[in-house]
Amino acid sequence: EVQLVESGGGLVQPGGSLRLSCAASGFTFSGYWMHWVRQAPGKGLVWVSRINSDGSSTSYADAVKGRFTISRDNAKNTLYLQMNSLRAEDTAVYYCARGPCDYWGQGTLVTVSS
Amino acid sequence: QSALTQPASVSGSPGQSITISCTGTSSDVGGYNYVSWYQQDPGKAPKLMIYEVSNRPSGVSNRFSGSKSGNTASLTISGLQAEDEADYYCSSYTSSSTLVFGTGTKVTVL
Repeated sequence: EVQLVESGGGLVQPGGSLRLSCAASGFTFSGYWMHWVRQAPGKGLVWVSRINSDGSSTSYADAVKGRFTISRDNAKNTLYLQMNSLRAEDTAVYYCARGPCDYWGQGTLVTVSS
Repeated sequence: QSALTQPASVSGSPGQSITISCTGTSSDVGGYNYVSWYQQDPGKAPKLMIYEVSNRPSGVSNRFSGSKSGNTASLTISGLQAEDEADYYCSSYTSSSTLVFGTGTKVTVL
């Protein structure tokens, strides 16, 4: 059974940093691109970032470019999102999703507030 | 990276058919057959309903179907049921090797 479990969310002050993790199981993690998608409270889905299967290629939404870094450890079957210089508008539930977005994690809430 | 345009809400009576549109540009919806549709219940993760414009994942009811014409993709739900009430989002691959989601549509079963 495919499982994606996010962790690392929480309350952080503006300007602070947070690292999200997404533990994958039930499939060959190293064979899939992975995505991060976020959803602000009461709002729609917004794509954040993606990484290819071996980690050699990444893309970011303009809103997070230069502040967020996506990475992966295929030996640990884990996807990461390093978030720096956080802003109030980054407050959202962050989901990781497998390749064609066919499987999603349950999400982890990031709240940026003083 | 502007969001794809969806109607804010669509409603129908049980048994009826409804269609949700998803309008983009030639750099996303119109340029690739990588349009997907997701169903999201409140407080839950999105669930893939349609991929590559018109393909249904295993386990998804055949009451859900997808199509595309030019820069607009569509999701049709036939034989509407109370359990179909949810938010629906489209997504598309883009010419920048990114993904873009739609603005979302709330489906109400009257």
